[in-house]
Amino acid sequence: AQKITQTQPGMFVQEKEAVTLDCTYDTSDQSYGLFWYKQPSSGEMIFLIYQGSYDEQNATEGRYSLNFQKARKSANLVISASQLGDSAMYFCAMRGLSGNTPLVFGKGTRLSVIA
Amino acid sequence: NAGVTQTPKFQVLKTGQSMTLQCAQDMNHEYMSWYRQDPGMGLRLIHYSVGAGITDQGEVPNGYNVSRSTTEDFPLRLLSAAPSQTSVYFCASSYDRQGFDKNIQYFGAGTRLSVL
Repeated sequence: AQKITQTQPGMFVQEKEAVTLDCTYDTSDQSYGLFWYKQPSSGEMIFLIYQGSYDEQNATEGRYSLNFQKARKSANLVISASQLGDSAMYFCAMRGLSGNTPLVFGKGTRLSVIA
Repeated sequence: NAGVTQTPKFQVLKTGQSMTLQCAQDMNHEYMSWYRQDPGMGLRLIHYSVGAGITDQGEVPNGYNVSRSTTEDFPLRLLSAAPSQTSVYFCASSYDRQGFDKNIQYFGAGTRLSVL
């Protein structure tokens, strides 16, 4: 079974500062993928970034980067130069790659960016 | 591209009524799934399908039925609605090739359901 834990229900960050959203996971799969999604107040789910368990380098997508520490089973999302539009719920998720396994989500972190 | 289309966007039911939430995708994705989102609970998997004719249960399947007769469509049926099924429902789809990285799931806009 797979499990995602997001321990920060809510976070505040000053505009233009960087922020780290924590995510730890547990899985018995040897190969897996880690995902981050953003859910703004409008409700849609927006894919942000992906990290494969076999990737040696941390994933980056614009202002988003994923701090992947495989031994510690953590996949923290780093948002640089926060903007007011980054205020949203952020969900960490994972999926095994070795079979027909579903995507499992954490409970999310609500990020509020302050001007 | 339409992507993943969910209908209706909003629905109010009375306890005991039945209804079907529709989900269609035009990306030829093998994998489709249904989630429900409740405050403080994240997204919980209800049912999923890895292809036409194949479905499986997720974390919270009780009270819901699914079928997958075509690649494009994956309807979710509420057999006898209960107030505990008040939630926001999301349908998602992705490729499902073993060893294919990313397998990004694309989500519909959601259906907000209230059961009175």
